[in-house]
Amino acid sequence: SQQGEEDPQALSIQEGENATMNCSYKTSINNLQWYRQNSGRGLVHLILIRSNEREKHSGRLRVTLDTSKKSSSLLITASRAADTASYFCAPSAYNTDKLIFGTGTRLQVFP
Amino acid sequence: DAMVIQNPRYQVTQFGKPVTLSCSQTLNHNVMYWYQQKSSQAPKLLFHYYDKDFNNEADTPDNFQSRRPNTSFCFLDIRSPGLGDAAMYLCATSIRTSGSYEQYFGPGTRLTVT
Repeated sequence: SQQGEEDPQALSIQEGENATMNCSYKTSINNLQWYRQNSGRGLVHLILIRSNEREKHSGRLRVTLDTSKKSSSLLITASRAADTASYFCAPSAYNTDKLIFGTGTRLQVFP
Repeated sequence: DAMVIQNPRYQVTQFGKPVTLSCSQTLNHNVMYWYQQKSSQAPKLLFHYYDKDFNNEADTPDNFQSRRPNTSFCFLDIRSPGLGDAAMYLCATSIRTSGSYEQYFGPGTRLTVT
């Protein structure tokens, strides 16, 4: 299945530092999405990068995609305590409505 | 605000007692999904509807069924809950149009089986 695998599984940083999470996947994709989940809540869409894009920015978020290596990274700059959450990547194949979520990275940002 | 609503937020049921979880949306999206998420795990897709077309995942147990009576509502029925079915159940929607792929999630229903 087209499941992403995130690395690291857990990450602890201080406020103001940058956080980088990586995602690897196995087969061709149409796009790759990143979602955030606060503890005990639903997921929130953060950013989508298409297979023909290499980098995308949204506020403090920067996503890169390397289709030759089948990998993506999410960078959160100048992190805040409110960024504490689990982050999931979701590669999406062509001609499907489905997302198969990766295992997630649990980010803890200390004040 | 347009949104995805799940009721109840917390549900307790007894082993073997049928339970129904509900999801409604005001986004008018044509695709609706149900996910199961166990503690510290990724959300796992159970099934989804594209309009009225039902798409079951191959590894979804027969114990789980779903109904979508109209665009706005979708239900998850667990016929005989076991202890292993205790989890967070997430409903999501999306709209199948060119260039739009993101999913919108409800807050989830946490199911406890006693």
